[in-house]
Amino acid sequence: ETGVTQSPTHLIKTRGQQVTLRCSSQSGHNTVSWYQQALGQGPQFIFQYYREEENGRGNFPPRFSGLQFPNYSSELNVNALELDDSALYLCASSSEGTPSSDTQYFGPGTRLTVL
Amino acid sequence: RKEVEQDPGPFNVPEGATVAFNCTYSNSASQSFFWYRQDCRKEPKLLMSVYSSGNEDGRFTAQLNRASQYISLLIRDSKLSDSATYLCVEGGSNYKLTFGKGTLLTVNP
Repeated sequence: ETGVTQSPTHLIKTRGQQVTLRCSSQSGHNTVSWYQQALGQGPQFIFQYYREEENGRGNFPPRFSGLQFPNYSSELNVNALELDDSALYLCASSSEGTPSSDTQYFGPGTRLTVL
Repeated sequence: RKEVEQDPGPFNVPEGATVAFNCTYSNSASQSFFWYRQDCRKEPKLLMSVYSSGNEDGRFTAQLNRASQYISLLIRDSKLSDSATYLCVEGGSNYKLTFGKGTLLTVNP
C-alpha cells in the first residue's frame, strides 16, 4: 500500500452537477497530481499541486479545478459534469515539485459515473 | 502522432512463456521512462524505471533506444500473477507523466 488515500471510492452524478473528489497524500509528500483514466485508456494528466499552488496543467477545461491544503491533501472539483467525465480519477503524491516517477505513488482512485 | 504508443494487444500466453511489449514516444527531449502495471480496476503501480543502459529486475528486462525513440519490456517465465495491463510511461516534462493506452496481458495455466 502506498499510503495515498482517496474518497469517495465510487460516485454517481447526473449531467450538469458538480463533484468534489479528495486525496490525502503519503506522509512526507508535498506534491499531488491528478489524472483521469477513461475506460480502455491510459491515465491523462489533469494538473499538479505543489505547496498549495498549481504547478502545471494538462489539456483539461477550466471546469476542472483543484486545491491543495496546508497538510498537502488535495481536492479535485469538476463543474457542469458531462457524460464523458465518467472515468477513474487517480491522485498521485510525490515529494518536491519534480516528478521522478519512482516517487509518484498512486491512490486507489475514485470511480465517477455521470448519467 | 500520439505522444506514447504501445502494442495494442491483448496478449494471451501460456505460463512459462516469454513476452515482449514495445512502446514508442514522440518527445525526443524526454529524459525518463517507466513501465507501470495496472490490475483490473486498481491503480497503476510502478514496475520499473527504464535506464538508457537497459535494466533488469528478476524476470523483467527494460530497454531504451533513444535513437529510435523506442522502449521495451521483456517478461521471462511468465506467471499467472503477471496477468495485468502494462503501461508505458514518459516523464518528459517536469510535472507530468504521459501514459500509453496500455497492453493487456493474460497468462493462461
